[in-house]
Amino acid sequence: GQNIDQPTEMTATEGAIVQINCTYQTSGFNGLFWYQQHAGEAPTFLSYNVLDGLEEKGRFSSFLSRSKGYSYLLLKELQMKDSASYLCASISLAYSGAGSYQLTFGKGTKLSVIP
Amino acid sequence: DTAVSQTPKYLVTQMGNDKSIKCEQNLGHDTMYWYKQDSKKFLKIMFSYNNKELIINETVPNRFSPKSPDKAHLNLHINSLELGDSAVYFCASSQDRRGAYNEQFFGPGTRLTVL
Repeated sequence: GQNIDQPTEMTATEGAIVQINCTYQTSGFNGLFWYQQHAGEAPTFLSYNVLDGLEEKGRFSSFLSRSKGYSYLLLKELQMKDSASYLCASISLAYSGAGSYQLTFGKGTKLSVIP
Repeated sequence: DTAVSQTPKYLVTQMGNDKSIKCEQNLGHDTMYWYKQDSKKFLKIMFSYNNKELIINETVPNRFSPKSPDKAHLNLHINSLELGDSAVYFCASSQDRRGAYNEQFFGPGTRLTVL
């Protein structure tokens, strides 16, 4: 089965660094995504990791350890506009449909950035 | 210019009615999805189509029927609406199903309220 855990809420100060952790137990693992979702809006893609290590993209970085079933999203120089939910999602072979891959989302971490 | 569009954006209806939500993508992607996001903000896959073929069909009541007339369109028809169907429904598309090609682009969502 698929199981993804991430903290429900976090609060951080503008200009600071915050790390949002995600642990997963996924059969047929094929990679891990992070999405950002502002309130009332659609999720938007942030990052994809399939190999162990850190992927850096501007102020945002994402890390993956396949052996530990662990990922984190690192946000640097926090801005007020970073207040949003951050969704961890694993891609894996789906139960239904041969050769199908499925994205399973965690419940999201609501990040509040305060002045 | 909108990559993934959905109509309508808001849908308010009575219990027992039948309604449809339409989705179109102009990205040339092969794979399309329907997700349901409930009041707790949990995003859950419902269906996925690849080149008009159903490849993922999660445990969803058979009152929900997807239809893909071509690979750019994926519609969702719901019969005999129930209170528990109230949620935001997101359509998404991706280039393909595997790995990084599964980066999904989401539509703006349809907020369904069943009274």
